Amino acid sequence: GAVVSQHPSWVICKSGTSVKIECRSLDFQATTMFWYRQFPKQSLMLMATSNEGSKATYEQGVEKDKFLINHASLTLSTLTVTSAHPEDSSFYICSARDGRGGDTGELFFGEGSRLTVL
Amino acid sequence: GQNIDQPTEMTATEGAIVQINCTYQTSGFNGLFWYQQHAGEAPTFLSYNVLDGLEEKGRFSSFLSRSKGYSYLLLKELQMKDSASYLCAVLDSNYQLIWGAGTKLIIKP
Repeated sequence: GAVVSQHPSWVICKSGTSVKIECRSLDFQATTMFWYRQFPKQSLMLMATSNEGSKATYEQGVEKDKFLINHASLTLSTLTVTSAHPEDSSFYICSARDGRGGDTGELFFGEGSRLTVL
Repeated sequence: GQNIDQPTEMTATEGAIVQINCTYQTSGFNGLFWYQQHAGEAPTFLSYNVLDGLEEKGRFSSFLSRSKGYSYLLLKELQMKDSASYLCAVLDSNYQLIWGAGTKLIIKP
């Protein structure tokens, strides 16, 4: 199946700093990528839908100025957590849909990035 | 509103069979997904159903009844490595994935 690579897997940062997480589709072009956040023992929560070449669509309650999403190419989307605070500590996961499967194509997930803000 | 219901936790014995149910109420339906997620890892795809009936894939099978808004994931010959959370997700009319909270499956020897 298709491969989505996410980097870094682990990141620890100080409160007030910014952290960038990359999501790459390695063997297919992803016009749409999704960013999720998952707190311990909870389900995935969609944060935003990232569309190549246009602004991301954020879910209600997600601050777009705090979680900056850039989808500059068909294989790369980035999530930047700006001025991170301890409550932003979470597991962040990206996914992409392989367009070859049509609108209902399988979702492929990155490995996830565990962010700890001290 | 949109809603996906699945049991919070289930326990089964190694070698046995377990069925994880999922009921949904969504605005439109364009398919139902099952994902497996081990603790601390990203979800991995298990199955996709868009038509009624049973889809079998090795030890795992997934069933869908659109008229009942119901699906189940059947796991046979359980192995210890099957201990994980199983997530049910429905693609609604806007092609948005609506996620269930997941079912934590505990396998005992």
